[in-house]
Amino acid sequence: AQTVTQSQPEMSVQEAETVTLSCTYDTSESDYYLFWYKQPPSRQMILVIRQEAYKQQNATENRFSVNFQKAAKSFSLKISDSQLGDAAMYFCAFGTASKLTFGTGTRLQVTL
Amino acid sequence: DGGITQSPKYLFRKEGQNVTLSCEQNLNHDAMYWYRQDPGQGLRLIYYSQIVNDFQKGDIAEGYSVSREKKESFPLTVTSAQKNPTAFYLCASSTDRGPKTQYFGPGTRLLVL
Repeated sequence: AQTVTQSQPEMSVQEAETVTLSCTYDTSESDYYLFWYKQPPSRQMILVIRQEAYKQQNATENRFSVNFQKAAKSFSLKISDSQLGDAAMYFCAFGTASKLTFGTGTRLQVTL
Repeated sequence: DGGITQSPKYLFRKEGQNVTLSCEQNLNHDAMYWYRQDPGQGLRLIYYSQIVNDFQKGDIAEGYSVSREKKESFPLTVTSAQKNPTAFYLCASSTDRGPKTQYFGPGTRLLVL
């Protein structure tokens, strides 16, 4: 069974600064995908970024990038130039052919 | 616009009552999923379906039932056997190929009277 651990229940960042959210996972699978989802106060789950495990290159989406360390089973999310709209719960998720397994989330606060 | 709709937004259940949550998608996705989210926790998988007329139990299927008669629809019934149904319920769908990125509906909040 897969497990996903997010060890930071809450994080805070100043507007325009950079913040990194941590995620580690445990699996015996060789073919999988990793995701970061954002859940704002509306509670809608929004895909932030996706990484295929077979790709060595780290994924980037505008201000969002990941640091994927396959051997260490680590998948951190870096948010650059933080904006007030980035304030939300962020969930790391591990995906196989049939399902996603989610971490418990990190609440990100963005301050002026 | 393509997307996933869930209804109702809020649902109240009386003791011993079965209630059904609706999930519809027009993304032409093959796979659909139901998750439960409790306060301060991540999402836990209840049921999933990768094709019409077929579905599998997830991690917390007890007290729930589903059907998949149409590709677009995947309703979830919370039965009276579910003793603690108060939670936020999210439906998702994905293609059946590649990374199977899941896209989510807006959710249904279920409360027990």
